[in-house]
Amino acid sequence: AQRVTQPEKLLSVFKGAPVELKCNYSYSGSPELFWYVQYSRQRLQLLLRHISRESIKGFTADLNKGETSFHLKKPFAQEEDSAMYYCALSGSSNTGKLIFGQGTTLQVKP
Amino acid sequence: EPEVTQTPSHQVTQMGQEVILRCVPISNHLYFYWYRQILGQKVEFLVSFYNNEISEKSEIFDDQFSVERPDGSNFTLKIRSTKLEDSAMYFCASLRGVAEQFFGPGTRLTVL
Repeated sequence: AQRVTQPEKLLSVFKGAPVELKCNYSYSGSPELFWYVQYSRQRLQLLLRHISRESIKGFTADLNKGETSFHLKKPFAQEEDSAMYYCALSGSSNTGKLIFGQGTTLQVKP
Repeated sequence: EPEVTQTPSHQVTQMGQEVILRCVPISNHLYFYWYRQILGQKVEFLVSFYNNEISEKSEIFDDQFSVERPDGSNFTLKIRSTKLEDSAMYFCASLRGVAEQFFGPGTRLTVL
């Protein structure tokens, strides 16, 4: 079964501290992994996809197939990073459907 | 920058009533989706639509649900006889090809 797990519902850090939002997935093939972000009162928007291997707003995520993980990291958190973060997987179907994790609320305190 | 739009932003209905949620995807996109999020739970896939037909649906998407693209621009989700457990945020998304899905702002459905 395809599944995405985000073990933390809430992650609270101080400004300038490093951040790691955890994501583990269950999938037998070669998945495509994404991080979506939802800022307060805004829509879901793509932050990162593993294929592009880029850094957006200082965030990076590396796909670790051995550990079936796609953790999101940022070395120095900013207050404007406070948001809900969703890890998502696009798997075996060729329809592009996304399977989401539960989401992690990141709270960056001043 | 083009965006996916959804109307209404909030719909309140009585149990057993029919509701239609509307979405206008980005104009040159080819794949369309509905997701829902019950309060406090994860975003769940409902259905995908391509080339004027359903390409995949989840177990949630039973006979009470239907989708249409009636005029080449709107993409609608109909719930024939709403239940209390249909109360959720419903998100529409569209995709051009091998790229990101763009999400609408969502419609909050409240079934009383």
